[in-house]
Amino acid sequence: SQTIHQWPATLVQPVGSPLSLECTVEGTSNPNLYWYRQAAGRGLQLLFYSVGIGQISSEVPQNLSASRPQDRQFILSSKKLLLSDSGFYLCAWSVAVGSNQPQHFGDGTRLSIL
Amino acid sequence: AQKITQTQPGMFVQEKEAVTLDCTYDTSDPSYGLFWYKQPSSGEMIFLIYQGSYDQQNATEGRYSLNFQKARKSANLVISASQLGDSAMYFCAMRGSRGGYQKVTFGIGTKLQVIP
Repeated sequence: SQTIHQWPATLVQPVGSPLSLECTVEGTSNPNLYWYRQAAGRGLQLLFYSVGIGQISSEVPQNLSASRPQDRQFILSSKKLLLSDSGFYLCAWSVAVGSNQPQHFGDGTRLSIL
Repeated sequence: AQKITQTQPGMFVQEKEAVTLDCTYDTSDPSYGLFWYKQPSSGEMIFLIYQGSYDQQNATEGRYSLNFQKARKSANLVISASQLGDSAMYFCAMRGSRGGYQKVTFGIGTKLQVIP
């Protein structure tokens, strides 16, 4: 069966520090991978998605970046965090093709910027 | 562009009663999928139910059913026999065919509280 791992679960970082959140998927090949951010009490904002190794699509301009160095690994990064980067970050995967394929989410990372 | 609208920021329901959570959508894609997810206070997103745009029958999964009205572009979630564990945020989402079904659009969610 497929599983998705996301870490760390919580993170407290000072403004201006770098960031690296990692997500890995097991039990499937060539998945679509997604990074979302959820502000407190809000819906999900799609940040990045990837349909293959090295292929990243950015949805919103920001100081975040994403990379997919391996088929089942998705990394969210920042060189310098801003206060506005605080939030709940969710990684998700789905089968690549088909409108009937749901997304499967990791447990999320709660990021607090001080 | 795809858009999901959930107009109920919060809902209350008595335990064992049924509740309907509203979702309307807008898309120009010829085919699409509609999804509902549950997010408990712990944060994980749990997939509940799926409805395809060409499905003739409304989807059902246990106590969850989807009231799909294509002409009205609505896909309301019905939870029957509510339980205390149903208290959570509920998100409606759509996966369109444009661009190869790659993107998923979420609504802002409805917070459901089940009252004992």
